[in-house]
Amino acid sequence: NAGVMQNPRHLVRRRGQEARLRCSPMKGHSHVYWYRQLPEEGLKFMVYLQKENIIDESGMPKERFSAEFPKEGPSILRIQQVVRGDSAAYFCASSPPDRFGTEAFFGQGTRLTVV
Amino acid sequence: GDSVTQMEGPVTLSEEAFLTINCTYTATGYPSLFWYVQYPGEGLQLLLKATKADDKGSNKGFEATYRKETTSFHLEKGSVQVSDSAVYFCALSGSSNTGKLIFGQGTTLQVKP
Repeated sequence: NAGVMQNPRHLVRRRGQEARLRCSPMKGHSHVYWYRQLPEEGLKFMVYLQKENIIDESGMPKERFSAEFPKEGPSILRIQQVVRGDSAAYFCASSPPDRFGTEAFFGQGTRLTVV
Repeated sequence: GDSVTQMEGPVTLSEEAFLTINCTYTATGYPSLFWYVQYPGEGLQLLLKATKADDKGSNKGFEATYRKETTSFHLEKGSVQVSDSAVYFCALSGSSNTGKLIFGQGTTLQVKP
């Protein structure tokens, strides 16, 4: 059973471009979370999704950021018109329905650099 | 709102030394508590967890006890190894019961031979 898969591992974008980060949860997992880790800081919650639904987006910046978890395919975190301050590591985590709220499995992250 | 505070790092120890990383929390309700470890360039791995007061989580020689009276979840290990060098994050499950985690800022541990 493969773990949580994120791609790409590293992404470089110029200011003003779009960044698309992908996350495939573990098999059988229906809950997906995105977190952002700024340099020298802990992880900050961004958004929680289930298939085709955004459940909690309280940590998402109001502009330029969006997330989806379609019925088929990976979850996508999209950042439009990136700025230098978006440079960070973005981690995805997933959890199964039957262990909801008790344990999350993390991917290896996508490290976004905006130049 | 819910929050987690960890002792600031870096913590530098010699091999076989005793390790304590302090973690205290603020939360409404009864959160679950976790320690995650992050090795360089990697994602987070769950190290141990405790889901209710007085529970002790343990794994790979690390342990932490959920202390409701002091709102603490300190991480301890009796004898650290060089391979334990990593960043350690204390976290709690948010009171919203959505499964989202609230993390501390992380503590870097460096173990020297």
